[in-house]
Amino acid sequence: AQKITQTQPGMFVQEKEAVTLDCTYDTSDQSYGLFWYKQPSSGEMIFLIYQGSYDEQNATEGRYSLNFQKARKSANLVISASQLGDSAMYFCAMREGNTGGFKTIFGAGTRLFVKA
Amino acid sequence: DSGVTQTPKHLITATGQRVTLRCSPRSGDLSVYWYQQSLDQGLQFLIQYYNGEERAKGNILERFSAQQFPDLHSELNLSSLELGDSALYFCASSLTGVLADTQYFGPGTRLTVL
Repeated sequence: AQKITQTQPGMFVQEKEAVTLDCTYDTSDQSYGLFWYKQPSSGEMIFLIYQGSYDEQNATEGRYSLNFQKARKSANLVISASQLGDSAMYFCAMREGNTGGFKTIFGAGTRLFVKA
Repeated sequence: DSGVTQTPKHLITATGQRVTLRCSPRSGDLSVYWYQQSLDQGLQFLIQYYNGEERAKGNILERFSAQQFPDLHSELNLSSLELGDSALYFCASSLTGVLADTQYFGPGTRLTVL
């Protein structure tokens, strides 16, 4: 069965430091996509970064990078130079399916607190 | 602002009632997705539509139904409401619905069942 595990319910990081949010997944499919979303206290879901299962390079988007280790089935999010505005809930998600349609499952989330 | 609009923003109703949540996707997006976020279940995928056709189904209860109209807006109908249906319901849209498509989320509709 599809599964996404985020083992860190809460994380603290000092402003301007880097932080890694862990995510492991379980799937028997060869083709799948991994996503990270940010949910601030206001409630909206903001897309951060995507990694395809066949992508050989780790994805990067500005201060966000995804440390993709396929053999270990992990897709950790690295946020560099943390800012106070990064305080939020972060969700790892996996999408799989076929050309007909795709289901997405989300992890339980990690709440990140950035300290000044 | 993601460009996805959802109405209403808040909805308070009683058990046993029926409600309709509405979603307008971003201009040009053909695929619409519905998600439920609750404290005990977390974020759950409910259903995906592409250009009016159902494409994928997740943990959607039989009491819930959805459709996507020719103008591409979508509605999620929730009937025989129970206390446990209280949740934040998100609609998201994407351009084509393929695996790598970025999904843009709307602000959500917060449903409270009393």
